[in-house]
Amino acid sequence: KNEVEQSPQNLTAQEGEFITINCSYSVGISALHWLQQHPGGGIVSLFMLSSGKKKHGRLIATINIQEKHSSLHITASHPRDSAVYICAVRDYGGSQGNLIFGKGTKLSVKP
Amino acid sequence: ETGVTQSPTHLIKTRGQQVTLRCSSQSGHNTVSWYQQALGQGPQFIFQYYREEENGRGNFPPRFSGLQFPNYSSELNVNALELDDSALYLCASSWTPQADEGYTFGSGTRLTVV
Repeated sequence: KNEVEQSPQNLTAQEGEFITINCSYSVGISALHWLQQHPGGGIVSLFMLSSGKKKHGRLIATINIQEKHSSLHITASHPRDSAVYICAVRDYGGSQGNLIFGKGTKLSVKP
Repeated sequence: ETGVTQSPTHLIKTRGQQVTLRCSSQSGHNTVSWYQQALGQGPQFIFQYYREEENGRGNFPPRFSGLQFPNYSSELNVNALELDDSALYLCASSWTPQADEGYTFGSGTRLTVV
């Protein structure tokens, strides 16, 4: 079993829909990251969370430390949101810089 | 401030050869972490460099080695290339090893081993 599991693996939405991507992890963590990866490969850091909720524009990220679960929400989705969204955690006892990544959720937003 | 730049963007090598990938860190960042991302998978941690010293390593063999320079740019070297080394190699820089302010990622180097 992977230490970081994301669901769904693939997601197709219509423009304007509300989207939720889920991340569950099995290790103790010091931080959780949500990342966006475009087809060219470059990664953009969206959020870093250790508790609670963060919002940036149409993106909202939440984390429940007790349940070892995080969600990324996109409101009023747009075709430019199409990308792979990756959840990564920093293991509390792990080597520094050792982010453990999920396999990603591929989002496609249709106009 | 400049972001993280990786070079080259694409590279094709033959099995058994050696390769060097480069990463310039964001201005002010003293820590660089390297990751390997195979097709369809999430990235995997290779190692981290902090102030010119290796500061942590993932489950990669010794033929994966690195360097960090006084300006905090970094190199990843892979010897005796194998077909399975074909992947996207990402580097990320941060203010500290703990990356409490997060990471800045480069666009990656796509390595193909034939």
